[in-house]
Amino acid sequence: GAVVSQHPSWVICKSGTSVKIECRSLDFQATTMFWYRQFPKQSLMLMATSNEGSKATYEQGVEKDKFLINHASLTLSTLTVTSAHPEDSSFYICSARRGGLGEQYFGPGTRLTVT
Amino acid sequence: AQSVTQPDIHITVSEGASLELRCNYSYGATPYLFWYVQSPGQGLQLLLKYFSGDTLVQGIKGFEAEFKRSQSSFNLRKPSVHWSDAAEYFCAVGGGNTGKLIFGQGTTLQVKP
Repeated sequence: GAVVSQHPSWVICKSGTSVKIECRSLDFQATTMFWYRQFPKQSLMLMATSNEGSKATYEQGVEKDKFLINHASLTLSTLTVTSAHPEDSSFYICSARRGGLGEQYFGPGTRLTVT
Repeated sequence: AQSVTQPDIHITVSEGASLELRCNYSYGATPYLFWYVQSPGQGLQLLLKYFSGDTLVQGIKGFEAEFKRSQSSFNLRKPSVHWSDAAEYFCAVGGGNTGKLIFGQGTTLQVKP
């Protein structure tokens, strides 16, 4: 149990366009979902925390108007990268927390390349 | 400030040899501690976690970790490494009400045949 999926697994888009990444908890209800960004050979950087039915909480330095997060249900959160630029190219990983003990289950990640 | 330090960026061990990956943390409250493993281009898989109780925790794939409060450490160990263990390993601390995790920089494990 505790499987998290992401779609798409990889995406290439042109500069200036928007791209949406979905994160789903397949076999549990996630009270909280998290979005991370990971650069090559580096650790994960938390971008935002989203709770179902409320606005996401963004980490310092993350542009909320650029990275739109919607947590529409207990099993789905989406990250939309708006007006993408090449510097937005990265590996985006979501995670979902079940219950209150802080254990997070991670999705397989989405590789975004902006040309 | 809350932080996690993995002192070893890269470790190479021979297959069959023992392994220890170091993790030190700084956290104001009682920490929840985690070890995750990441294969190239993949998400993270939870190896083991410590919330409370017995300070020696067993995880998947033959891994174990020991929480030492006096040393603020949570080192990961495996008695005999397999070639399939080659991956990136992340130590993380946090949890609680916010559920936020703070990750270490990661340790790349290479396994020699």
